Amino acid sequence: GIQVEQSPPDLILQEGANSTLRCNFSDSVNNLQWFHQNPWGQLINLFYIPSGTKQNGRLSATTVATERYSLLYISSSQTTDSGVYFCAVGVWFNFNKFYFGSGTKLNVKP
Amino acid sequence: DGGITQSPKYLFRKEGQNVTLSCEQNLNHDAMYWYRQDPGQGLRLIYYSQIVNDFQKGDIAEGYSVSREKKESFPLTVTSAQKNPTAFYLCASRQRQLGADTGELFFGEGSRLTVL
Repeated sequence: GIQVEQSPPDLILQEGANSTLRCNFSDSVNNLQWFHQNPWGQLINLFYIPSGTKQNGRLSATTVATERYSLLYISSSQTTDSGVYFCAVGVWFNFNKFYFGSGTKLNVKP
Repeated sequence: DGGITQSPKYLFRKEGQNVTLSCEQNLNHDAMYWYRQDPGQGLRLIYYSQIVNDFQKGDIAEGYSVSREKKESFPLTVTSAQKNPTAFYLCASRQRQLGADTGELFFGEGSRLTVL
């Protein structure tokens, strides 16, 4: 299966700082999503971004499919951004299988 | 509101008992999934279903069973054969897409199972 690696595994920020999270994947993909898992465990959809760049408020994401990576940018971080960020990829030859990275655990301190 | 509802949110069971976790969606999605998450870990696929009356094993199906009798429902049974059932269980769904696009995955709020 596809290998998905996320970095860094842990990140501690002071409120107001910016950060970049990275997701590398080992093969061509047709679907890439970023999720935020809140402290209660719920996975919140952030971006559906198989290629290109998208922005939503303080968050933005870029996927360079040809180079097999995606970046999630968080600007002016807030304590509510804390949690775990997951990257998941889907592939054309198995539309029903999504491969998840191990996540980046973000702790934003006030 | 459209969404995915999982119940119960918390469940405690004695070792050796089967338990069934409910997952209901009103998004009219064709595909549904069950994932398991252990503390500090990522998500692992247990079972998935593309259409009614069809389901496939994922990466860690041993000790679990599912059914898909209705489009909106995909219950998961954790059987006594599952050696380490204590975990966080997440249900997801997706609208099947034509062509190469695989469609966006949406998750329920999860069910936390503790086996005593």
